Amino acid sequence: KAGVTQTPRYLIKTRGQQVTLSCSPISGHRSVSWYQQTPGQGLQFLFEYFSETQRNKGNFPGRFSGRQFSNSRSEMNVSTLELGDSALYLCASSQGQTAKNIQYFGAGTRLSVL
Amino acid sequence: AQSVAQPEDQVNVAEGNPLTVKCTYSVSGNPYLFWYVQYPNRGLQFLLKYITGDNLVKGSYGFEAEFNKSQTSFHLKKPSALVSDSALYFCAVRDPRTSYDKVIFGPGTSLSVIP
Repeated sequence: KAGVTQTPRYLIKTRGQQVTLSCSPISGHRSVSWYQQTPGQGLQFLFEYFSETQRNKGNFPGRFSGRQFSNSRSEMNVSTLELGDSALYLCASSQGQTAKNIQYFGAGTRLSVL
Repeated sequence: AQSVAQPEDQVNVAEGNPLTVKCTYSVSGNPYLFWYVQYPNRGLQFLLKYITGDNLVKGSYGFEAEFNKSQTSFHLKKPSALVSDSALYFCAVRDPRTSYDKVIFGPGTSLSVIP
């Protein structure tokens, strides 16, 4: 079974631009979560989607948004990029029905904002 | 508010020695507890979880963790460390009252196993 796939692996953008990151979950998984990882803040929860609906959202500004498609693939968008948005963005998928479910992580997209 | 603490930023241990990576949590009720490992330039990999039952949980790659409710701790252990165990380790907690995939992660502990 294929794992969680994130594309692209690396991105370089400049301040003010926008960016879209993609995540393909494990087949059969309906929940996709996004996390931002930085050396200073660690792993921070962005949002979670289940069956195309956002179920939960972390404490990030509205510049960060996401969506999920009917095939459970998810995209995350960051508009008006700031230097502080440079981070490793991780996507995780799970079956999503209970809190016992294990989350499986992709390798991440490393975003550098210049 | 829910929180997870990993009191040590860095743990160094000699190869072959036992290792412990500490985790304490502050969550109401009976949380679900997880350990993940991250190798350089990789995503997180699941190691083990505690849901209920036996306080000693066994996981992947020879790791185990001990749940202690009175001390609100969930320390990760391995009897004999390998150089390949060197990585970043994250403790995580989830509220069992929700199916939401919102996981609270600790800050991480960098483990170095010295040959």
